[in-house]
Amino acid sequence: NAGVTQTPKFQVLKTGQSMTLQCAQDMNHEYMSWYRQDPGMGLRLIHYSVGAGITDQGEVPNGYNVSRSTTEDFPLRLLSAAPSQTSVYFCASSYSWQKDYEQYFGPGTRLTVT
Amino acid sequence: KNQVEQSPQSLIILEGKNCTLQCNYTVSPFSNLRWYKQDTGRGPVSLTIMTFSENTKSNGRYTATLDADTKQSSLHITASQLSDSASYICVVISYSNYQLIWGAGTKLIIKP
Repeated sequence: NAGVTQTPKFQVLKTGQSMTLQCAQDMNHEYMSWYRQDPGMGLRLIHYSVGAGITDQGEVPNGYNVSRSTTEDFPLRLLSAAPSQTSVYFCASSYSWQKDYEQYFGPGTRLTVT
Repeated sequence: KNQVEQSPQSLIILEGKNCTLQCNYTVSPFSNLRWYKQDTGRGPVSLTIMTFSENTKSNGRYTATLDADTKQSSLHITASQLSDSASYICVVISYSNYQLIWGAGTKLIIKP
């Protein structure tokens, strides 16, 4: 099993550009989520999904969109990049939406917005 | 406000030495607490989970403790190895809405 995969590994955007961060898992997990990790702060939840066709906002959703058309894929779209979105983005999946289940994380995407 | 605070922010120790990382939380109602290890440039990986009724749990050279009365957890690493160099993150799960509250992590550096 590949687990959780993310692409790209690194990305540089100019302010105002849009892009999609890809995330896929091959563990048939129903729950998937996106986090951003900034220095000195805990992981912050952006969006999450409890199953195909179901998504919801997390703690910091502004400027991001998600969709979940299949169990495997959960892309994150940046609509109009801003320097404040410079961060490391992690996709995670879990067997169940119940948060005491272990989350499996992808390797992350390091995004810089200039 | 639900918060998780970890200390120290960073720690440097010599290979072979022991160390203890702290996690204090104000999350209520408490469900459980999980420790993750995050290698540089990688995503976090779960080390162990502590439920309300557990005091101590070991995973190899890692031993986690939980004191639900004082709302403190610790992660003790025995006979450290260079591969233990990583950030260690504590996350507390709130029982009421299954919210995850993440700590900022402790960056551990093991020097040969």
